[in-house]
Amino acid sequence: QSVLTQPPSVSGAPGQRVTISCTGSSSNMGAGYDVHWYQQLPGTAPKLLIYSNNNRPSGAPDRFSGSKSGTSASLAITGLQAEDEADYYCQSYDSSLSGSVFGGGTKLTVL
Amino acid sequence: EVQLVESGGGLVQPGGSLRLSCAASGFTFSNYAMSWVRQAPGKGLEWVSAISGSGGNTYYADSVKGRFTISRDNSKNTLYLQMHSLRAEDTAVYYCAKARMGTTFAFEIWGQGTMVTVSS
Repeated sequence: QSVLTQPPSVSGAPGQRVTISCTGSSSNMGAGYDVHWYQQLPGTAPKLLIYSNNNRPSGAPDRFSGSKSGTSASLAITGLQAEDEADYYCQSYDSSLSGSVFGGGTKLTVL
Repeated sequence: EVQLVESGGGLVQPGGSLRLSCAASGFTFSNYAMSWVRQAPGKGLEWVSAISGSGGNTYYADSVKGRFTISRDNSKNTLYLQMHSLRAEDTAVYYCAKARMGTTFAFEIWGQGTMVTVSS
């Protein structure tokens, strides 16, 4: 059971918009700690997609955006493309654990 | 080019030890916090341990506290993870990751990973 809760799977057709939720608690996102998002394509290492809630590193497409409110965060993907099919993970810091925590991951399927 | 290359993985018996290394290049290693993150076969990501740029601060997940030790040699641009008392549940791909400047846990660069298998 992950400290951060994500839906196991989401899906959407090409061109559509999908969102992936990440629910935490008062000891992580609710305490003001930042959330980061990663994309992991099959058989590869994870890649930073969004950092500090809503910032894109250089090279990350602007179709990806992040938001955070209270104990929850969301990753939105617009203009869905076949190459977006991957696993997505949220991550934050948890003060009760004194360390970083990941969500369980969400598998995105492009129909 | 910023690069992280892990090594040291392999097959080890339960109760055994292993030391992982991560060779960094393309950036000023001592300026950045580093972490180890693992992924068991078919499972999600699990943060394992982190260390500050100077090496003066270290952090561990409860699942490895007391068994694993993170360290770094800034003169060699290398990160280490010494693992003792290994268990079957430690079987995973172990990634080293470089944090963004000014953060400890936003991992902007990842290595390709090294597989650790704990089995008799």
